[in-house]
Amino acid sequence: AQSVTQLGSHVSVSEGALVLLRCNYSSSVPPYLFWYVQYPNQGLQLLLKYTTGATLVKGINGFEAEFKKSETSFHLTKPSAHMSDAAEYFCAVSEHTGTASKLTFGTGTRLQVTL
Amino acid sequence: EPEVTQTPSHQVTQMGQEVILRCVPISNHLYFYWYRQILGQKVEFLVSFYNNEISEKSEIFDDQFSVERPDGSNFTLKIRSTKLEDSAMYFCASLLSGGTQYFGPGTRLLVL
Repeated sequence: AQSVTQLGSHVSVSEGALVLLRCNYSSSVPPYLFWYVQYPNQGLQLLLKYTTGATLVKGINGFEAEFKKSETSFHLTKPSAHMSDAAEYFCAVSEHTGTASKLTFGTGTRLQVTL
Repeated sequence: EPEVTQTPSHQVTQMGQEVILRCVPISNHLYFYWYRQILGQKVEFLVSFYNNEISEKSEIFDDQFSVERPDGSNFTLKIRSTKLEDSAMYFCASLLSGGTQYFGPGTRLLVL
């Protein structure tokens, strides 16, 4: 069974500061890992994903994440926060089984960006 | 850019009534999903659908729920007799291959 843990349900950073949102996963098979962003009253938008290959993946809006197998982590970072980054961020895992398996989501981290 | 669409955006219904939530996945996609998000909680998997049959379902997806792909474009979720606890945002997603599921904007269902 797969699971995702997101540490910190709320994170607050100042505009221009580093953003770090934590995600740890468990999976019995090699995982696919995703970060989705949800703006208020909107759906889920894919930020970035890791499937295979390079462990540092870059996504939209300046976000990136690094897959660390030894730490079972996939933390999301952005060097400089912008007010428009305020949203809820979900880490998700699916099992890399060759079939299109379900996504299992973490509980989400609400990012607040202050002036 | 192709996108997943869902209708209606909001639906209010009385407890015990049937509701049908509609989704139009991206046209060449092969796998289809429903998820739900109860207010303030995480997104939960309900069901996946491939080749005109359910490929996986969660324990939430009991006999009150059904899915259908009635034609080549629509994918529907039916809740036969709604309960108060069915109030949630319901998301449809579709996938071609390679792991990335594309989500629709959701239908907010309120059961009174």
